[in-house]
Amino acid sequence: QQQVKQSPQSLIVQKGGISIINCAYENTAFDYFPWYQQFPGKGPALLIAIRPDVSEKKEGRFTISFNKSAKQFSLHIMDSQPGDSATYFCAASISGGSNYKLTFGKGTLLTVNP
Amino acid sequence: EAQVTQNPRYLITVTGKKLTVTCSQNMNHEYMSWYRQDPGLGLRQIYYSMNVEVTDKGDVPEGYKVSRKEKRNFPLILESPSPNQTSLYFCASSSIRSYYTEAFFGQGTRLTVV
Repeated sequence: QQQVKQSPQSLIVQKGGISIINCAYENTAFDYFPWYQQFPGKGPALLIAIRPDVSEKKEGRFTISFNKSAKQFSLHIMDSQPGDSATYFCAASISGGSNYKLTFGKGTLLTVNP
Repeated sequence: EAQVTQNPRYLITVTGKKLTVTCSQNMNHEYMSWYRQDPGLGLRQIYYSMNVEVTDKGDVPEGYKVSRKEKRNFPLILESPSPNQTSLYFCASSSIRSYYTEAFFGQGTRLTVV
């Protein structure tokens, strides 16, 4: 059972364009939704995260939009740059529980063409 | 520098030959976990540990063992590796003191079992 569904699998965007990656979750107990960015040969690193008590969080060119009723959240990358080319994973977790496990989506390979 | 260190980075082994992948963190984190990353499957948790001597199974524990004798170290043991354990492995650590916590990942270990 896949608890976090991520789309698209891959995305090609022109420099300066907007990249949008979507995720949907099933478990209503999830209360923390981070996005991780992974460059080739590196481990994932936290990019931005949101809690379900807010509908949007913005950090620079990166914005998370969160829709609790639809159980969906998305990452928007404004003014996409070639340096943003990486694999992006959405994730969800239940804070303060017996396992701080991150349940990951399958990932989106983003390519930003110059 | 805060970091999670995994060794080795690359490993080719034969079926049935026991191996250990080491993981060490210098952030005094209580929580540590192992994930495997496979194409099209994202990252899946293998085992986790909430503190010294406290470990438990994640989503895909079959064929793996772990131990947590010291807070900083969390080795992953494959007692009889099989080809289906060929994968990219990541160790991660995080603090459980904050309710919403960031996971710090190592650089990864690419394992090939022939």
